[in-house]
Amino acid sequence: LAKTTQPISMDSYEGQEVNITCSHNNIATNDYITWYQQFPSQGPRFIIQGYKTKVTNEVASLFIPADRKSSTLSLPRVSLSDTAVYYCLVVIAHNTDKLIFGTGTRLQVFP
Amino acid sequence: DAGVIQSPRHEVTEMGQEVTLRCKPISGHNSLFWYRQTMMRGLELLIYFNNNVPIDDSGMPEDRFSAKMPNASFSTLKIQPSEPRDSAVYFCASSFFAGDTQYFGPGTRLTVL
Repeated sequence: LAKTTQPISMDSYEGQEVNITCSHNNIATNDYITWYQQFPSQGPRFIIQGYKTKVTNEVASLFIPADRKSSTLSLPRVSLSDTAVYYCLVVIAHNTDKLIFGTGTRLQVFP
Repeated sequence: DAGVIQSPRHEVTEMGQEVTLRCKPISGHNSLFWYRQTMMRGLELLIYFNNNVPIDDSGMPEDRFSAKMPNASFSTLKIQPSEPRDSAVYFCASSFFAGDTQYFGPGTRLTVL
């Protein structure tokens, strides 16, 4: 599985856009990029998944450049409730046997 | 669906005692995963099952840990004997198939004194 690198922590204020970048230099052709969110005292929760270019859902956007060696999770107009740990993972579509979570990025949103 | 259900939510026990954690996956999901989370080591995969069969248990720390899945709707993770270093939050997750989006339960916070 491709190794991912992301910042340990980030701070933001309510209403701002937050972009969390993840590096995955040895991503393989069939790998997907997936992001999970974890609140204190809860299990991780799937946010978004993408393969290339841009993916958007009701929660976030995922930007993936052409070389796919990095990706950026974008959270528009964050609120206090977005304070959480965000994990970037690279998985082989439909054929992986497990997910390996890194240390994640701890996002703190201030009022 | 109620999501993945885990019990108990909290467990406090003394060193040497047997601990059994329980998980009910989402109905229709064929893959089930057990994770352990600590501040020091983050989130670690212990073992996962496909169609009730253990596929990869390389993450199980040692022989004191064992996991079973007697049917599609129930799994257990047992620690015998328990040690203080086993203190952690244990998560169960399930998915339609390995590689698909995983849905996590609320976790069991285990404290071994």
